[in-house]
Amino acid sequence: GENVEQHPSTLSVQEGDSAVIKCTYSDSASNYFPWYKQELGKRPQLIIDIRSNVGEKKDQRIAVTLNKTAKHFSLHITETQPEDSAVYFCAASRGSTLTFGKGTMLLVSP
Amino acid sequence: NAGVTQTPKFRILKIGQSMTLQCTQDMNHNYMYWYRQDPGMGLKLIYYSVGAGITDKGEVPNGYNVSRSTTEDFPLRLELAAPSQTSVYFCASSPSTVQETQYFGPGTRLLVL
Repeated sequence: GENVEQHPSTLSVQEGDSAVIKCTYSDSASNYFPWYKQELGKRPQLIIDIRSNVGEKKDQRIAVTLNKTAKHFSLHITETQPEDSAVYFCAASRGSTLTFGKGTMLLVSP
Repeated sequence: NAGVTQTPKFRILKIGQSMTLQCTQDMNHNYMYWYRQDPGMGLKLIYYSVGAGITDKGEVPNGYNVSRSTTEDFPLRLELAAPSQTSVYFCASSPSTVQETQYFGPGTRLLVL
């Protein structure tokens, strides 16, 4: 089955810095890659997703890039703010299910 | 819309007891999912359903059962609870495929002692 590796497990940045979280996947047939944000004690929420026919997608301060050849995709957050502090999960899908990475705890210090 | 709701919020079980975690969605979504979340381990899929009357196993189905008699409800049954089932359980739904936004419920925290 699909295997998704996510790095780093924790990431600390200063407010205003950029943050990058990277994921690799094993199944070359995977074609959908979402990112979920989970604040402490809350439910996961989708923040951005990308499909395999697109190399990059942006939504305000967040962007996701996909390299199908290398089987990796990344989340980029610019101008980080304290409210960006949360756990971020990447995931991959080739059809009927999503496989999640183990998560990255992002801490943004004022 | 209430979205996805789950009950109970928190439960303590003794080893060997059974219980049902309830999940209801009011968005008329076809797809529903049960995940468990253990610290530092991400979300693991237990079971999923693509519509009423259809269920399938996910990555970690052992010790659990599900049913989907209506579009709205997708209960998760734990038989003979074990300490390894201590976790946070999330139910989620999506409109018509897995490759679109999944809407999560608030979660059920289960402790098995």
